Amino acid sequence: NAGVMQNPRHLVRRRGQEARLRCSPMKGHSHVYWYRQLPEEGLKFMVYLQKENIIDESGMPKERFSAEFPKEGPSILRIQQVVRGDSAAYFCASSLHSITGELFFGEGSRLTVL
Amino acid sequence: KQEVTQIPAALSVPEGENLVLNCSFTDSAIYNLQWFRQDPGKGLTSLLLIQSSQREQTSGRLNASLDKSSGRSTLYIAASQPGDSATYLCAVSLVETSGSRLTFGEGTQLTVNP
Repeated sequence: NAGVMQNPRHLVRRRGQEARLRCSPMKGHSHVYWYRQLPEEGLKFMVYLQKENIIDESGMPKERFSAEFPKEGPSILRIQQVVRGDSAAYFCASSLHSITGELFFGEGSRLTVL
Repeated sequence: KQEVTQIPAALSVPEGENLVLNCSFTDSAIYNLQWFRQDPGKGLTSLLLIQSSQREQTSGRLNASLDKSSGRSTLYIAASQPGDSATYLCAVSLVETSGSRLTFGEGTQLTVNP
């Protein structure tokens, strides 16, 4: 009865490096959402994906950030050429239904950029 | 643009007290409203989900109400315990947005003193 699994839980990168965050949704869930929580701020929506499709990426910065949810394997949030302002907790959530579904969150991946 | 506001931002109470956390939202066209709990450095735990057609949901010592027309929800915690200390987040799923994408409030940080 595994919940939403995220890894790594903690990631340290130097400015200019790449960060890859992985998310495996709950069993049977095909809807994945990524949120970002900056220090001392609330959670902000980044991107919504279904298998092999990006449905809504309106909350994701246009540059350096990308997300995918392949047919096989976890969803990946990729941040290229990280900057200090990318330091945050990145949360993944999944739902069974697309519209009225309850969201279940992972423990988050905490990115620190030195 | 949907805005979610939570009052108070922080609350400190003695153990055993009944308390109410407030959430308001500006756009009443919602599918559902969820209350979450977040412990420091941890992910989000779903507490209660209220669909737009419902008025309230109960789970143990927790009761959440929803008044969609006035854009308000309350989370009632009975007989509070030190283990209830956490940040409580309210989030709404809008009709106009994709999937179960949530808009979050800033949270109420609750401390229950022994």
